[in-house]
Amino acid sequence: GQNIDQPTEMTATEGAIVQINCTYQTSGFNGLFWYQQHAGEAPTFLSYNVLDGLEEKGRFSSFLSRSKGYSYLLLKELQMKDSASYLCAVIRFSGGYNKLIFGAGTRLAVHP
Amino acid sequence: DTAVSQTPKYLVTQMGNDKSIKCEQNLGHDTMYWYKQDSKKFLKIMFSYNNKELIINETVPNRFSPKSPDKAHLNLHINSLELGDSAVYFCASSRRMTSGGVTDTQYFGPGTRLTVL
Repeated sequence: GQNIDQPTEMTATEGAIVQINCTYQTSGFNGLFWYQQHAGEAPTFLSYNVLDGLEEKGRFSSFLSRSKGYSYLLLKELQMKDSASYLCAVIRFSGGYNKLIFGAGTRLAVHP
Repeated sequence: DTAVSQTPKYLVTQMGNDKSIKCEQNLGHDTMYWYKQDSKKFLKIMFSYNNKELIINETVPNRFSPKSPDKAHLNLHINSLELGDSAVYFCASSRRMTSGGVTDTQYFGPGTRLTVL
């Protein structure tokens, strides 16, 4: 089966750095996405990892360790607009097709 | 120039009614999806179509019937609505779903908030 775990809620201060962890167990692993979802809005793509290591994209970075079934999203220089849910999603390849399995999301609140 | 659009944005209806949600993408993608996001914000795949062909059907009750008239459209029809169907339904699309990689990035529509009374 598949299992994706991430913390339910986190809080941080404007200007700080926060790391959101995600652990997963799945067969047919074919990559991992991070999405951002503001309240009442659609999820939007943040990052993609398939190889071990760190992918940096401006203030956001994402790390993957396939052997440990572990990823994290690092947000630097936090801004108030970063208050949102962050969804970890694993691609599972099965039956010739990829399927995206989402975690329950981490709700991040950024305070002044 | 919205990429993935859904209508309606809000849908309030009585138990037992039949309703439809429409989705369109103008990204030229081959694959489209329906997801359900429940009150706990858990986003779960329901269906996936690739070039109008049903690929994924995640043991969704057969009261839910997707229809893809062409690869730019994927509609969702729900019969005999139940209280438990209340959720936000998201349509999404991706270039493809077979190659792996960032080309499989899914782009989501704005969602349809369905409330069954």
